[in-house]
Amino acid sequence: DTGVSQNPRHKITKRGQNVTFRCDPISEHNRLYWYRQTLGQGPEFLTYFQNEAQLEKSRLLSDRFSAERPKGSFSTLEIQRTEQGDSAMYLCASGYRGGLSYEQYFGPGTRLTVT
Amino acid sequence: QQPVQSPQAVILREGEDAVINCSSSKALYSVHWYRQKHGEAPVFLMILLKGGEQMRHEKISASFNEKKQQSSLYLTASQLSYSGTYFCGSPSRGDMRFGAGTRLTVKP
Repeated sequence: DTGVSQNPRHKITKRGQNVTFRCDPISEHNRLYWYRQTLGQGPEFLTYFQNEAQLEKSRLLSDRFSAERPKGSFSTLEIQRTEQGDSAMYLCASGYRGGLSYEQYFGPGTRLTVT
Repeated sequence: QQPVQSPQAVILREGEDAVINCSSSKALYSVHWYRQKHGEAPVFLMILLKGGEQMRHEKISASFNEKKQQSSLYLTASQLSYSGTYFCGSPSRGDMRFGAGTRLTVKP
C-alpha cells in the first residue's frame, strides 16, 4: 500500500454515459499524475498537476476528458460520453521531488469497462 | 517518444541473473524503474540520473549509460518475488513516457 487511494476500484458503464474517478494522493506530495493502462502496455500519461495547477495534458486526452485538483488535494478525472475504447485501467500517481527528479507512487487504479 | 525496452520477456530459474535494457532516441536525463505484478499497480524501484551513481534496490541494481542513451536493470540471484513486469520511464518536462515493459518470470 503506497498511501494513494483511488475510487471506485471498478466501474462498468454503458457507452455514452459519463464517469468520474477520484484519487487521494499522499498528503505531503505536491504532484499528482493520471495515466491510462491497457493490457500488455505501459502506463500512458494523461495529465499532471502541481498543487492545484494542471501543467500538462497529453494530446491523447480528448475534450471528453477533464481533470481537476481543487485546493491541491484530491483529484477527479471525468470522462464524458464514454466509448468502448475508453475501457482501461486508470492509474493515479502521487509525486514528490526526491533529489533531482520526481518519484511517483501509484494508487491501485480504477478499472473501467465500457459496454 | 516512449523508451524501448528489451527483451520483451525473460524466464529465469531462481538464483539466475538477468539484465533488462531501456533505451531512447531522445536525450535521457533520468530513467525511472518500476515493477508491476499482475493485477497490481506499478511500484517505484529507483531513479537513475544522468551523471549519477549506480542505484540499488535490494539485489536489483541499475546503471545509466549516457553515450548509449540507455539504462540497464540488473537482477542478481533472482528470487520468486522478482516476477512481474518491469517498466522504465523517461520524464519529459513533467510528464513520463513509459516503455512497453519486460515481463520477468522466475521459476523455482
